Amino acid sequence: SQQGEEDPQALSIQEGENATMNCSYKTSINNLQWYRQNSGRGLVHLILIRSNEREKHSGRLRVTLDTSKKSSSLLITASRAADTASYFCATGLIQGAQKLVFGQGTRLTINP
Amino acid sequence: SQTIHQWPATLVQPVGSPLSLECTVEGTSNPNLYWYRQAAGRGLQLLFYSVGIGQISSEVPQNLSASRPQDRQFILSSKKLLLSDSGFYLCAWSPGTSDETQYFGPGTRLLVL
Repeated sequence: SQQGEEDPQALSIQEGENATMNCSYKTSINNLQWYRQNSGRGLVHLILIRSNEREKHSGRLRVTLDTSKKSSSLLITASRAADTASYFCATGLIQGAQKLVFGQGTRLTINP
Repeated sequence: SQTIHQWPATLVQPVGSPLSLECTVEGTSNPNLYWYRQAAGRGLQLLFYSVGIGQISSEVPQNLSASRPQDRQFILSSKKLLLSDSGFYLCAWSPGTSDETQYFGPGTRLLVL
């Protein structure tokens, strides 16, 4: 099965609300990354958090990592219509640290 | 700055025909290169990765092969396409240093009929 599993699979909220997506994984990791994919396009890197970090911010994005629970969350504050996309977590494993294992993604829809 | 190119953007091929998808990276040296496949509405499956010229690691046994004839060129091939090869193929590169971020190309949508 996939290393990373996002939850929920789909999320629909009103513009201006906050969106929270979760990711769980199974094995020890070196880092965890979040990517965004607009429909039919390539993925865009959002943020990387290392296994020794607990929280990281980038603009309206806030990522947390709990290695004891093997989980991460991505919070997008004050959502905008342009945030509509699929969001994927990807884990960089300790073994084969150059590879990433992607989850199935959360489809986020921001309603105007 | 670095850029990554993939072509073609869209491809429709009959079953049994050969395939060649090309990916090139500009503005960096000795990158790690990756090929992924994405089924509709799903996550990414790593197919191949390469840490140097002629060095290819295969993640999933299948109908596809990859080659890296030059430092910044990564090619995905098949001798005979199957219906199940349809999907969205993404190429990515990473610096191969402590920066483990991957940078993706625009993708190739392949439809095998």
